[in-house]
Amino acid sequence: AQSVAQPEDQVNVAEGNPLTVKCTYSVSGNPYLFWYVQYPNRGLQFLLKYITGDNLVKGSYGFEAEFNKSQTSFHLKKPSALVSDSALYFCAVRGYNAGNNRKLIWGLGTSLAVNP
Amino acid sequence: NAGVTQTPKFQVLKTGQSMTLQCAQDMNHNSMYWYRQDPGMGLRLIYYSASEGTTDKGEVPNGYNVSRLNKREFSLRLESAAPSQTSVYFCASSEADRRLAYLQETQYFGPGTRLLVL
Repeated sequence: AQSVAQPEDQVNVAEGNPLTVKCTYSVSGNPYLFWYVQYPNRGLQFLLKYITGDNLVKGSYGFEAEFNKSQTSFHLKKPSALVSDSALYFCAVRGYNAGNNRKLIWGLGTSLAVNP
Repeated sequence: NAGVTQTPKFQVLKTGQSMTLQCAQDMNHNSMYWYRQDPGMGLRLIYYSASEGTTDKGEVPNGYNVSRLNKREFSLRLESAAPSQTSVYFCASSEADRRLAYLQETQYFGPGTRLLVL
């Protein structure tokens, strides 16, 4: 079965501390993995993606994500959180629909709150 | 570039009324999508268009119709609105050229339309 799980509905972290937003996936074949961010009352913005190559992917706004094939995970990380990072974060993986067309399978999102 | 634009930003409808949500992109993307976002349910795909002239159903197409007017524009129509269609609707686009495989599935989203059906 194709799926994405974001096990934490909410993550709270103090400003300046490292943050991690977790994502695990289930898909056949090589995964294409994505992170998007949604700021309040805005559309989703692409942060980063893993297609192939180095397991550590760097993206926008200082975020990075680590692909771990054995654990089927793609956790989002940032060394030092900012209050402005407070937003809703979505993980997604490429899957296929019933017609064998590609589609994105989305997690339910994790709300990140960075406290001053 | 404006990216992906959506109109209107907000709309209130009465049950049974109809309306069309407009979406346009200026990135010359082949693929376009309509999603709805509801609390606790994440993003759900309503319809998508892999290329100009084609449309396909997503996960939750019932109660909606779409038109891919040209490469730039992809509209979503509610023929007879129901309270269950109260949601935030997002349009997105992506490049689906097989020669640019590394760009595929990176979707670019519009700002959304907040719809309330009374």
